[in-house]
Parts: sequence; structure tokens; C-alpha cells
Amino acid sequence: EAGVTQFPSHSVIEKGQTVTLRCDPISGHDNLYWYRRVMGKEIKFLLHFVKESKQDESGMPNNRFLAERTGGTYSTLKVQPAELEDSGVYFCASSQVRDISTEAFFGQGTRLTVV
Amino acid sequence: ILNVEQSPQSLHVQEGDSTNFTCSFPSSNFYALHWYRWETAKSPEALFVMTLNGDEKKKGRISATLNTKEGYSYLYIKGSQPEDSATYLCALSNTGNQFYFGTGTSLTVIP
Repeated sequence: EAGVTQFPSHSVIEKGQTVTLRCDPISGHDNLYWYRRVMGKEIKFLLHFVKESKQDESGMPNNRFLAERTGGTYSTLKVQPAELEDSGVYFCASSQVRDISTEAFFGQGTRLTVV
Repeated sequence: ILNVEQSPQSLHVQEGDSTNFTCSFPSSNFYALHWYRWETAKSPEALFVMTLNGDEKKKGRISATLNTKEGYSYLYIKGSQPEDSATYLCALSNTGNQFYFGTGTSLTVIP
């Protein structure tokens, strides 16, 4: 079974440009999460999809970030325009709602560098 | 937002030494605690999911305990090996399936 996959693995863009990150969750997983880890800090929650609906987007830092999950399958996270402080590793995770011990499976992350 | 704290932030141990680190979290509204192992350039890998006070889980040389009343979990590594070098993350999950992560403990095992 394929795991969570993210594209690209690395991206270097200039300040002011646009970048779109993609996440393909494990097939059949309704929950999809985006997280971000800025250098030396904790992994921070960005948002949570249940199927195609945004369950919680309280972690989105500002309106330069836009996440979509059309059709409830893969998700994209667009940053427009990118700023220097957006640099970090963006993780996607997916899980299926089962019981109290549901675990999330992570992708390898996209390392974003804004210069 | 739930505040999950891990200590120490980083740790260097000699090969063969045993070590442990801590994850602290709010004891109210506890749902489940997860430990992940994260090697550079790889996905965080799930180690344990713990739900009950007093839970103890073990996988090889790695084990974890949980105290939900006082709000902490310990991760133990017995006889550390260089391949154990990684960042160990704990995360609290709530009823809405949202995960709140700590900052991680970076472990380096020196051969």
C-alpha cells in the first residue's frame, strides 16, 4: 500500500513568487492534515480536512496560504506571495477515523526555502 | 490549542547507554498520546499510540509509559545504538482527530 506522498520534495523560490505543494494521502483516508516546521521550532498544525471539507483551519498563518482538497482525494497548499518567514518543512499526514487510537501517517515533507 | 512540551530539546549519549525523555501535556481532556520517530529526510514514523493511564508499550529496545493524571509520558531507549539517532516527537490527539505536536527531542548516539 502506498504511503502519504508529497511533491515536490524541495522547492526554492524567491520572495513574492507563488508555490503550490501537493499531498496524496493514503487511499481511503478521510482525514488529511497539513503541518509546518520552521527551523528549530515545533511542528505546527495548519489545517485539517475531512474528505473535501475544511474541518479546522485555525492554524493557517494568514491569507497568503490557501489549501484545497477537491474531490476529497489529494490536497494542495498554495503560498502566494511567498515571504521569507514561510521557509520550513511542510508535512502532510492522513488518517482514517476508526477509534481512539487512530494514528496519522506522514509524508516525507516538502522543504520550502524562500530567498 | 493544546500545549505539548518535550524535554530535553537535544541529547547526546554514548552507544550502549540507556536514555529517556519526557513529553508533558495538559491532563484535562486527554484523548490519546502518540510517539513518533523522525529521521532527517524521512517521514515521521509512528512508534506508539497510548490511551490509558498507566499504559506501557514496548517495541524492541524502546518503551514508553503514560500518566494521564499528571500529564506526562516517558520514552525510554535501552542500550542506545547509532541508528537510534533521530528526533522523537510526541503528539496529543483530541476527539476531533487533530494532532498537537511537541518540539521534539533530538537524540544523537555517539559510536
